Amino acid sequence: ETGVTQTPRHLVMGMTNKKSLKCEQHLGHNAMYWYKQSAKKPLELMFVYNFKEQTENNSVPSRFSPECPNSSHLFLHLHTLQPEDSALYLCASSLGREMALYGYTFGSGTRLTVV
Amino acid sequence: AQKITQTQPGMFVQEKEAVTLDCTYDTSDPSYGLFWYKQPSSGEMIFLIYQGSYDQQNATEGRYSLNFQKARKSANLVISASQLGDSAMYFCAMREGGGSNYKLTFGKGTLLTVNP
Repeated sequence: ETGVTQTPRHLVMGMTNKKSLKCEQHLGHNAMYWYKQSAKKPLELMFVYNFKEQTENNSVPSRFSPECPNSSHLFLHLHTLQPEDSALYLCASSLGREMALYGYTFGSGTRLTVV
Repeated sequence: AQKITQTQPGMFVQEKEAVTLDCTYDTSDPSYGLFWYKQPSSGEMIFLIYQGSYDQQNATEGRYSLNFQKARKSANLVISASQLGDSAMYFCAMREGGGSNYKLTFGKGTLLTVNP
């Protein structure tokens, strides 16, 4: 148990489906992140939320829609995805004053396959 | 230009031997931090070790040490006495600046295989 929980662990969806990824942390962290991990590429930062406010949108297509209702929960809503969106989606959290020393706490990821 | 470069896509090491995983970085910011993470096949990223740009000594955490050469902008991870459980992907990452900068930039990773 890493302290950051992601559900579901695996997701297969069609290109016309709508689904959501969920991330939850009860570590008291104030910042939460979505990263995309594709094969043979560096992790790509998608979104950053700090105290529930979005502070970073790294030119992510609008078919990905994040939601952060509180500092403990982060969602990634998916609709009309493309096959190239298939990847491991990692959620992470951090606490401001500790982030400098410990970086992030990551979840185990959601393996998404778009068919 | 890539900010984090890991030139070794894959590395092999015999159990109980030491191995060095390479990482070079590029930044003009005088304040930065360097991290190494381990990602087993289960997917989660596990924090291993941290080195700050102003730290005078190389960081160590158990069997992990970071060979920090600031002038060469390298931050290699050394794993001593390798174990079978060390087989995983290893990622080098950098935080630039201080204060409220929460972003980490990652390299492409190195797949380490420990042979019995």
